[in-house]
Amino acid sequence: EIVLTQSPATLSLSPGERATLSCRASQSVSSYLAWYQQKPGQAPRLLIYDASNRATGIPARFSGSGSGTDFTLTISSLEPEDFAVYYCQQRSNWPPEFTFGPGTKVDIK
Amino acid sequence: EVQLVESGGGLVQPGGSLRLSCAASGFTFSSYSMNWVRQAPGKGLEWVSYISSSSSTIYYADSVKGRFTISRDNAKNSLYLQMNSLRAEDTAVYYCARVRFTMVRGVTTPYYFDYWGQGTLVTVSS
Repeated sequence: EIVLTQSPATLSLSPGERATLSCRASQSVSSYLAWYQQKPGQAPRLLIYDASNRATGIPARFSGSGSGTDFTLTISSLEPEDFAVYYCQQRSNWPPEFTFGPGTKVDIK
Repeated sequence: EVQLVESGGGLVQPGGSLRLSCAASGFTFSSYSMNWVRQAPGKGLEWVSYISSSSSTIYYADSVKGRFTISRDNAKNSLYLQMNSLRAEDTAVYYCARVRFTMVRGVTTPYYFDYWGQGTLVTVSS
């Protein structure tokens, strides 16, 4: 079973600042990792897949990097609508399951 | 426009049953694998179940195996989750989510969730 850990649990920043979120896997997941954004009362939204590819309609200020066990989601300059919870996610072949990290909350400082 | 609309949630007693539905539109439903993902109040996301486009492959999380059954009706563009023997810990918002495939060593493999419904709340309480 692959476990994902995310840090920090909470990130307090101001609009315009750079946000750097970390996701670590308990074993290598190659580059097969996704990031999601969830705002209060809303469904999650796919931001990044395959570690570094932006999903359809995602602004260029969101970028992903990493491979193996260490991954980073970077928001280059926070907009007011970016304050939300961010989850990383991977899939394992055996047992066949999809796993999410515990999330990082980005809130306004 | 891709739309996923869940329904069927509500209040149920422990040990009871509930059937969730997800109506899909805006894409060729029969070509896509689908999932159910849940989120307990104030908690993170937990994958529940996966079904392939033809229903030939089905997976469940250990936490629901033997109690939940995923199914689909491609003629009706609908996804279902039959939930039996419900427990308090099953209380959550249940989302249906479409699968996005990725290439893994030359094989298209279901990996991510690219569209989500707005969710339906299931509360298990006496």
